Amino acid sequence: DAGITQSPRHKVTETGTPVTLRCHQTENHRYMYWYRQDPGHGLRLIHYSYGVKDTDKGEVSDGYSVSRSKTEDFLLTLESATSSQTSVYFCAISEPGQGVNIQYFGAGTRLSVL
Amino acid sequence: GQSLEQPSEVTAVEGAIVQINCTYQTSGFYGLSWYQQHDGGAPTFLSYNALDGLEETGRFSSFLSRSDSYGYLLLQELQMKDSASYFCAVSTPDSNYQLIWGAGTKLIIKP
Repeated sequence: DAGITQSPRHKVTETGTPVTLRCHQTENHRYMYWYRQDPGHGLRLIHYSYGVKDTDKGEVSDGYSVSRSKTEDFLLTLESATSSQTSVYFCAISEPGQGVNIQYFGAGTRLSVL
Repeated sequence: GQSLEQPSEVTAVEGAIVQINCTYQTSGFYGLSWYQQHDGGAPTFLSYNALDGLEETGRFSSFLSRSDSYGYLLLQELQMKDSASYFCAVSTPDSNYQLIWGAGTKLIIKP
């Protein structure tokens, strides 16, 4: 299994509080992604990174920010959590090339915003 | 826009064969991937097709027709453990190594 660790695995927080989720990899993969998964919506990309300090927005980036100060760590921050951000969050890593982009996923973080 | 379509749910019987279809509409195309996700688990990679034809990996096969913008995942000798959601995903030259994902197909297997 790809070495990807997400923390925390579960979190309950209150509306308006900041929340940071961490993704840590031991594979030295260049690309890292944050997705959210909600019933009926599949996987939706929040932000991704293609190197240290190189990040870009995905389709549902509003309300989220990311940082990547080291190759192995990719942080997702909800500056002021809202109930609509209750979801399961997955981190993924890949080392794409020649059009092939196989992504390996962490176990996920289940976030509840009350 | 870019989109992938797959059935939301498919039901099959243990021991049978089932096909999960995926049609895509994208600007450009590199390849079609399939992922499996069990309830409560993370998506895991199953297969990748860049060229037309059938790729076989044990009980699972994946097919691609680039001219029809269509692919499918074929599961043979179904086992109860195959009950999961299956996602197709496309990589394109314009996507900067993002994947375009289908909404997923929930496979229900009955004994």
